[in-house]
Amino acid sequence: GEDVEQSLFLSVREGDSSVINCTYTDSSSTYLYWYKQEPGAGLQLLTYIFSNMDMKQDQRLTVLLNKKDKHLSLRIADTQTGDSAIYFCAESHGSSNTGKLIFGQGTTLQVKP
Amino acid sequence: EAQVTQNPRYLITVTGKKLTVTCSQNMNHEYMSWYRQDPGLGLRQIYYSMNVEVTDKGDVPEGYKVSRKEKRNFPLILESPSPNQTSLYFCASSLYPLYEQYFGPGTRLTVT
Repeated sequence: GEDVEQSLFLSVREGDSSVINCTYTDSSSTYLYWYKQEPGAGLQLLTYIFSNMDMKQDQRLTVLLNKKDKHLSLRIADTQTGDSAIYFCAESHGSSNTGKLIFGQGTTLQVKP
Repeated sequence: EAQVTQNPRYLITVTGKKLTVTCSQNMNHEYMSWYRQDPGLGLRQIYYSMNVEVTDKGDVPEGYKVSRKEKRNFPLILESPSPNQTSLYFCASSLYPLYEQYFGPGTRLTVT
């Protein structure tokens, strides 16, 4: 079945790199996404990667995809206090064409000054 | 400004009292969807709509109804709310099903 797993909590110091990990079970996933949710706000798409890619870099964000292990990671370089939020990994299915996103439980990132 | 709006943002109601949460997008998106967010469970899809008059169930549709009479609006209807529907609800839209989904700010519903 479809399942996405994330660790629930990560704490880092300001200026360090943060790595948030995600595993998924469905090998037919077409797109994999990272969303950010700040307190009291909706979800903001940070970045996404096609399943035929291994890596994508966008400024401070680096996404790595290991298709063999069904493992996705988000690295945030030079983490700032403004990066404190909940980060959701999500996958979508090209074959089903329903547009449904399967979300992980979310990882709370705490950035200490 | 391109956005998805939801109303109300906060709602406290009692069991059995019908309510509607509105969702509207100004991006001419064909695809719209409702999710609920519960602690430790992430977001789960309730209903989705591919276009006007085309709706279908997501993973957790029980107790909910939707309608899509106009492209921009996708209201979520709880005919007889129960306490287990206490949750944070998000509406989302995208141009097409697999394109980037834009999320509304969320509606926090409490059913007592």
